[in-house]
Amino acid sequence: NAGVMQNPRHLVRRRGQEARLRCSPMKGHSHVYWYRQLPEEGLKFMVYLQKENIIDESGMPKERFSAEFPKEGPSILRIQQVVRGDSAAYFCASSQTGDLANTGELFFGEGSRLTVL
Amino acid sequence: AQSVTQLDSHVSVSEGTPVLLRCNYSSSYSPSLFWYVQHPNKGLQLLLKYTSAATLVKGINGFEAEFKKSETSFHLTKPSAHMSDAAEYFCVVSMAAGNKLTFGGGTRVLVKP
Repeated sequence: NAGVMQNPRHLVRRRGQEARLRCSPMKGHSHVYWYRQLPEEGLKFMVYLQKENIIDESGMPKERFSAEFPKEGPSILRIQQVVRGDSAAYFCASSQTGDLANTGELFFGEGSRLTVL
Repeated sequence: AQSVTQLDSHVSVSEGTPVLLRCNYSSSYSPSLFWYVQHPNKGLQLLLKYTSAATLVKGINGFEAEFKKSETSFHLTKPSAHMSDAAEYFCVVSMAAGNKLTFGGGTRVLVKP
């Protein structure tokens, strides 16, 4: 009964390098969400994807960040040319439907903690 | 627009005493409201949710929350704290038929023996 799987759990990068974070949703879930949690802050929505489609990317920074959820394989959050301010915990969540207001349950992974030196 | 404010960033209670975590929201639409818990280095787990049915919502681990529209509040309570309740708690709001959750800043709960 695998939950949402994220890897790597911890990632260290130097400024200017690329970071790739992977997320496999729960079995049967086709909706994936990425959130970022800065130290001492709540989670901030980044992007919502369904298979092969970006539905809502209103929380994504305009540059350096991209996300995909291909037909096969995990969802990937990619950060190019990382800077120190990108250091955060990145959480992936999945749901069975996109209507969170009614079904309401997002299942979260344990997060990927990015440290930029 | 929707937003949620958790009034206390830290709450400290003794084991066996009541816990109260305060949350106020603003939403242009009929909101759905949730409480999530995050234990250290773990993902978030849903505690309970309000989706316009009963205003008093019971969740897991003995927690409950009451939706008060007149006060725009959704405070989380538990009559008797347990050591395992030490965690961070997030109040969350979603617009009707929405696919985006807005998180409060979180309340870190410390339980003293």
